[in-house]
Amino acid sequence: DTEVTQTPKHLVMGMTNKKSLKCEQHMGHRAMYWYKQKAKKPPELMFVYSYEKLSINESVPSRFSPECPNSSLLNLHLHALQPEDSALYLCASSFGTGSGTGELFFGEGSRLTVL
Amino acid sequence: KQEVTQIPAALSVPEGENLVLNCSFTDSAIYNLQWFRQDPGKGLTSLLLIQSSQREQTSGRLNASLDKSSGRSTLYIAASQPGDSATYLCAVRGRDNQGGKLIFGQGTELSVKP
Repeated sequence: DTEVTQTPKHLVMGMTNKKSLKCEQHMGHRAMYWYKQKAKKPPELMFVYSYEKLSINESVPSRFSPECPNSSLLNLHLHALQPEDSALYLCASSFGTGSGTGELFFGEGSRLTVL
Repeated sequence: KQEVTQIPAALSVPEGENLVLNCSFTDSAIYNLQWFRQDPGKGLTSLLLIQSSQREQTSGRLNASLDKSSGRSTLYIAASQPGDSATYLCAVRGRDNQGGKLIFGQGTELSVKP
């Protein structure tokens, strides 16, 4: 099973709403990632969790709040977003980071629209 | 700072043609290089992973090569089919990164015409 599952597939929210994106993998991977992708652009890294600890935060605004409850789950909590935050949010996982990384597997993404 | 470039940005070929997509990177100190395909509005599908100690990897009609010293990788697609139409992205994981950051190229948008 090389699957990363993301929910919801689509999300529309107002600027005052609070919502969450969820990601799950059962490959035994210990590194999980959040990426943001705008149309016609490559994915941009937001956060990396390694062994359930936040290891990289790419200077993401605090209105995005990641959470890794356990090694299989990754959440992204959204609050007070702006219309420019509308994008495809991708979750990914890998065996590890650095020399032991192996392949990176992506989910299908959550399409977020902020009104 | 690692930079990844993909040429061409877009490519249109007739069905059945063999084709090569190019990826270059500026810093040869990498752990690995990975090729992905992305269909419109979808996530990224991993095609091939090449470790820094490897020269090439093959999967079906796909063959990826890696020349670390020159900072280049190619993705060869044999006997292209309309179903191969997608954006192809290469990404490198550098040894100077903390926590395994992947650096992506801008992608090559491939269209295979029936």
